Amino acid sequence: EVLLVESGGGLVQPGGSLRLSCATSGFSFNGYSMNWVRQAPGKGLEWISYISISATTIYYADSVEGRFTISRDNAKNSIYLQMTNLRADDTAVYYCARASPGFDCWGQGTLVTVSS
Amino acid sequence: DIVMTQSPESLAVSLGERATINCKSSQNVFYSADNKNYLAWYQQKSGQPPKLLFYWASTRESGVPDRISGSGSGTDFTLTISSLQAEDVALYYCQQYYTTPWTFGQGTKVEIK
Repeated sequence: EVLLVESGGGLVQPGGSLRLSCATSGFSFNGYSMNWVRQAPGKGLEWISYISISATTIYYADSVEGRFTISRDNAKNSIYLQMTNLRADDTAVYYCARASPGFDCWGQGTLVTVSS
Repeated sequence: DIVMTQSPESLAVSLGERATINCKSSQNVFYSADNKNYLAWYQQKSGQPPKLLFYWASTRESGVPDRISGSGSGTDFTLTISSLQAEDVALYYCQQYYTTPWTFGQGTKVEIK
């Protein structure tokens, strides 16, 4: 069974930092590119970052460019999202998603709340 | 950025009736070199992550019932539920993966009338 499990979310003050993790199992992790997608409360889906199989290609949405850093550890079957200089509008559920054509597998998400 | 616009924002359909969701992209998402539309559809039920329904606009993901279909090309796409069932109540999103930033439509809420 394919599993993606996000962790690391929580309450953080504006300007603070947080590191999200996405642990995967049930598939050949080093054969897939991965993504982070977020969803603000009651809002739609926003793709925010992509990392290729070997991490040689990385993309970010403009909304997080320069503040967020995606990485992966193929030995641990995991991806990460280092988030810095967090703002109130970063409040959202953060999902990791496997890239296939489209995003074919998603985790349950981890909630990040940015508030003082 | 490619803007994805879905219509309607919500619709209420009687059980067994047809539901149709439209998705329009601000730019062509058809890549002639491989003859594919870089368009996906997702279903998101309350409190759950999205679930991929279709990729390449009309290729059904494993397990998706055949009463749900995807169609369209270029800039205009449609998700059709031919006979609405109670388990189809959800938000539906289209997404282009033709070029970054990959963008989603704003979502269409499907309810039972």
